[in-house]
Amino acid sequence: SQTIHQWPATLVQPVGSPLSLECTVEGTSNPNLYWYRQAAGRGLQLLFYSVGIGQISSEVPQNLSASRPQDRQFILSSKKLLLSDSGFYLCAWRGGQAATEAFFGQGTRLTVV
Amino acid sequence: AQSVTQLDSQVPVFEEAPVELRCNYSSSVSVYLFWYVQYPNQGLQLLLKYLSGSTLVKGINGFEAEFNKSQTSFHLRKPSVHISDTAEYFCAVGSSSNTGKLIFGQGTTLQVKP
Repeated sequence: SQTIHQWPATLVQPVGSPLSLECTVEGTSNPNLYWYRQAAGRGLQLLFYSVGIGQISSEVPQNLSASRPQDRQFILSSKKLLLSDSGFYLCAWRGGQAATEAFFGQGTRLTVV
Repeated sequence: AQSVTQLDSQVPVFEEAPVELRCNYSSSVSVYLFWYVQYPNQGLQLLLKYLSGSTLVKGINGFEAEFNKSQTSFHLRKPSVHISDTAEYFCAVGSSSNTGKLIFGQGTTLQVKP
């Protein structure tokens, strides 16, 4: 069966420090991968998605970037964190074109102080 | 472009009472519709989905939803809620495109009181 791993679960970082959040998927190949951010009272905002290795699409301009160095690995990064980057970050995957729903990781709670 | 509106940010209800969480969507293409549940500090779990066919969809934990194309709605219902249903609920819309993006609503917090 397919599983998705996301780490770390919680992270407290000072303003101006770098960020790296990692997500890996097991049990499937060539998944579509997604990074969402959930801010309090604002629902889930799609940040990035990827349909293949090295292919990244950004949904909103921001202080973050994403990379997909391997088929089942998706990384969210920042060179210098801002207070506004605080939130709950969720990684998700979806199968190929015939697939429907997305499956989510357990999330990372990021607090920028 | 697709969008989702969840009409209630919070819904308080007593245990064993019925509940309806409202969701309206906007899309120019045929859509898939989903309801997800999120417990505190966890990821999202799929409750149910509408792809095609019967407009009444049954999901896990006794939840069901009805797709209404003319009203562009996909409301979630449960005839009798439990304390354990207290969580945040998200409605989402997607399509069959290769990107498979899901667009989410703002979420509705269901608070079940004893």
